[in-house]
Amino acid sequence: DSGVTQTPKHLITATGQRVTLRCSPRSGDLSVYWYQQSLDQGLQFLIQYYNGEERAKGNILERFSAQQFPDLHSELNLSSLELGDSALYFCASSARLGGSEAFFGQGTRLTVV
Amino acid sequence: ELKVEQNPLFLSMQEGKNYTIYCNYSTTSDRLYWYRQDPGKSLESLFVLLSNGAVKQEGRLMASLDTKARLSTLHITAAVHDLSATYFCAVGIAAGNKLTFGGGTRVLVKP
Repeated sequence: DSGVTQTPKHLITATGQRVTLRCSPRSGDLSVYWYQQSLDQGLQFLIQYYNGEERAKGNILERFSAQQFPDLHSELNLSSLELGDSALYFCASSARLGGSEAFFGQGTRLTVV
Repeated sequence: ELKVEQNPLFLSMQEGKNYTIYCNYSTTSDRLYWYRQDPGKSLESLFVLLSNGAVKQEGRLMASLDTKARLSTLHITAAVHDLSATYFCAVGIAAGNKLTFGGGTRVLVKP
């Protein structure tokens, strides 16, 4: 157990809908990362937050947004969902902004039908 | 843009034999990670390599890093069935620490 908690584990929703994925980092970790894993794109970095502020953006669609709250948990919001958004979404956390090991949660498997 | 390439993409192993997975990356980096992923599961951290010439070993797995060649290897000694999984290398840039992953190597160890 990495100490990073993601909910829900599975999510099935229809095209056009909006969902929210939640992540609680390891105790004491200030940095949270979101990754998407799909068969065609592999593991891709989406976005990073550090102590409540956005610090880095990757290949994140405009339909997707995220935030980190004062208690350091993070949420990834996916809207206007398309079939191609079906993927495993991972959250990871690390202690510092850079240079420290990242630990991954169990992931949320999103299926868009 | 940083690119990370792993090869092979698939490795069918015989128990008891030795194998190597290669990870090449395109730009300077100061840290390289190896992760293991079982089907449908999370990513388990195996090694963190922080400097040129770094070598780390855990059980039948050994990872090394050559920053000049921009190459890391994951060596598997005397493969056993329990090592069947997908292995990813990932390269991090200190500023921010976001990881760029290779495409993964799916390992299947047959008796």
